[in-house]
Formats: sequence, structure tokens, C-alpha cells
Amino acid sequence: KQEVTQIPAALSVPEGENLVLNCSFTDSAIYNLQWFRQDPGKGLTSLLLIQSSQREQTSGRLNASLDKSSGRSTLYIAASQPGDSATYLCAVRRFGTASKLTFGTGTRLQVTL
Amino acid sequence: GAVVSQHPSRVICKSGTSVKIECRSLDFQATTMFWYRQFPKQSLMLMATSNEGSKATYEQGVEKDKFLINHASLTLSTLTVTSAHPEDSSFYICSARAPRGGSYNEQFFGPGTRLTVL
Repeated sequence: KQEVTQIPAALSVPEGENLVLNCSFTDSAIYNLQWFRQDPGKGLTSLLLIQSSQREQTSGRLNASLDKSSGRSTLYIAASQPGDSATYLCAVRRFGTASKLTFGTGTRLQVTL
Repeated sequence: GAVVSQHPSRVICKSGTSVKIECRSLDFQATTMFWYRQFPKQSLMLMATSNEGSKATYEQGVEKDKFLINHASLTLSTLTVTSAHPEDSSFYICSARAPRGGSYNEQFFGPGTRLTVL
């Protein structure tokens, strides 16, 4: 059974800092991995999707990397802003499971002024 | 594009009543929709996979008679929580899979429905 873990569970940083969120998964046979953002009481916003054949994806201040062999992904946020405060979830999509996603435990990020 | 809506966004009901939550893909046809449940400060847990025109596939431990799913059209799936109890209080989120050939089978998520059972 695929298990997805995110470390740290919570993180508080001052504005302007660069930060890294970690995601690990136990079964490396994944189709792709996706990072989401969730604001309190809201749905999910997709940030980046990395195919299993890719090493990284970038969007603005966000960079996500994938090391499938070691079962790890990182989300790098450059020059953090208070508006980045949210919960960040990673999710992996397995092969042959009709697009089912297994979500990680999430990292609650707070960026302070 | 790829917008998914949910209705209602928030519902409060009495114990024993049934509640219906709608999930709609607004600008694309979704042959597959997914229903998730999220407890406070926890991650999303997949409840069931809903395919248009066929019975939903439920994850292990999810009571299909309690959580009725109907996917009658390519743009609408409904989740009915029957005889709701306080332990059913949760945040329910749906997602719709992008059409075949587009966006690597990416799922697009609705804004969620907060259910509170008194």
C-alpha cells in the first residue's frame, strides 16, 4: 500500500526566506506526482505536476523536483511571501489505478511579516 | 478552463437526515469523478471513484449504502450522505478527471463542502 509522508508537518518562516517542503512515498511505481495548495476551509489548487520521467518542474517562484528511485519529491519556494501561507499537499498517482491519487499528510506553512 | 464546482459549500443538518452534495465540471466533460473526505488538519482520503453511467467503486472501509454516489451525466456527480450522524461531519471534496489525452489524466478539484451534523 502506498504511503505518502510530508515533513515538516508545520513550518513558520519570515517573509523573504527560501524554503523547502519534503514529500516521500513508499512505492516508487508512480505515474506522476502533484503538488497542491489548500487554503483554510477551501478546496485544492494544483501547483505543479511532475511526470515520472521528469526530474523537475518550475512555475514562477516554485520548483518541484522528483527522485522516483528514492521515493522523494521536494517543493522549493523562493522569496516567500505572506500570501504563500497555506497547507501544501503532495499526491502521487499510481500506474493502473484509474488516476487515483494518494495524498500526503500535508505541511502547514505560515509566512510572517 | 477545467473548473469544478460544488454545491452547497456549507450545510448543517440534524442527525438522521440525508444530505446531497453536487459536483459539476463546468467547462469539460468528466467521465470520471472522485469523492474525498477530509477531517480537520488531516489529509484527503479517497472515498470512491465515480464513472458516468456505472456504479461507483468504493474504497475499503467506505459504506456504499451510507454514501450514495450517482454519476448520471458527464458533468454531474452527486454524493448523498444518508441518515447522517455527527461522525459524518467532515469536509467533502470532489474532483473531475480531465478528458482523455489532455493534462496527463490530471484531476481538477472542487472547492469542497463543509458538512456539520448536529
